[in-house]
Amino acid sequence: QSVLTQPPSVSGAPGQRVTISCTGSSSNIGAGYDVHWYQQLPGTAPKLLIYGNSNRPSGVPDRFSGSKSGTSASLAITGLQAEDEADYYCQSYDSSLWVVFGGGTKLTVL
Amino acid sequence: EVQLVQSGAEVKKPGESLKISCKGSGYSFTSYWIGWVRQMPGKGLEWMGIIYPGDSDTRYSPSFQGQVTISADKSISTAYLQWSSLKASDTAMYYCARLPAGQQLVKNWFDPWGQGTLVTVSS
Repeated sequence: QSVLTQPPSVSGAPGQRVTISCTGSSSNIGAGYDVHWYQQLPGTAPKLLIYGNSNRPSGVPDRFSGSKSGTSASLAITGLQAEDEADYYCQSYDSSLWVVFGGGTKLTVL
Repeated sequence: EVQLVQSGAEVKKPGESLKISCKGSGYSFTSYWIGWVRQMPGKGLEWMGIIYPGDSDTRYSPSFQGQVTISADKSISTAYLQWSSLKASDTAMYYCARLPAGQQLVKNWFDPWGQGTLVTVSS
């Protein structure tokens, strides 16, 4: 049971927009702590996708965007492409546990 | 370029000890936290613990406290994750990653990540 809750899977057709939610509580996201997102392509190490709720590292396409409100955060991917098929994880700080991850969401491009 | 390079895959028997490594380069090793993350086969990411090599301040996830030991040798810019007695349930991929936003944990994240070390524990 992860401290941050994500849907196990989402899917979309090429070109569509999908969102992945990350729901926490008053001890993590709801306490105002930042949310970060990672992409893990099959067989590879995770890679930073979004940091500080909505900031993209250099090299990450602007098709990826992040937002946060209350006790939840979301990752949006527009113009879905086949190479976006991967697992996506959110991460935040928790006042009791320090670092917490979401359970991960598998994105399937139909 | 900031880089973390991990030691190679290991195959061990239950009850054996193990120490895997993560060597940092391209930055001041003593000025940033390094974390360890477990990924069991087909499962998600689990935070295990972090160490600040500058003063060896170490924090463990409650799930891993007492199960592993995290250490660092700043003279060779290397962090370690070790087990004194492995179990089959320790079979997993283990990643190290730098926390780039300074000494404060509150606003930090993991970037970059090492390539991972696969640990297989089987009799």
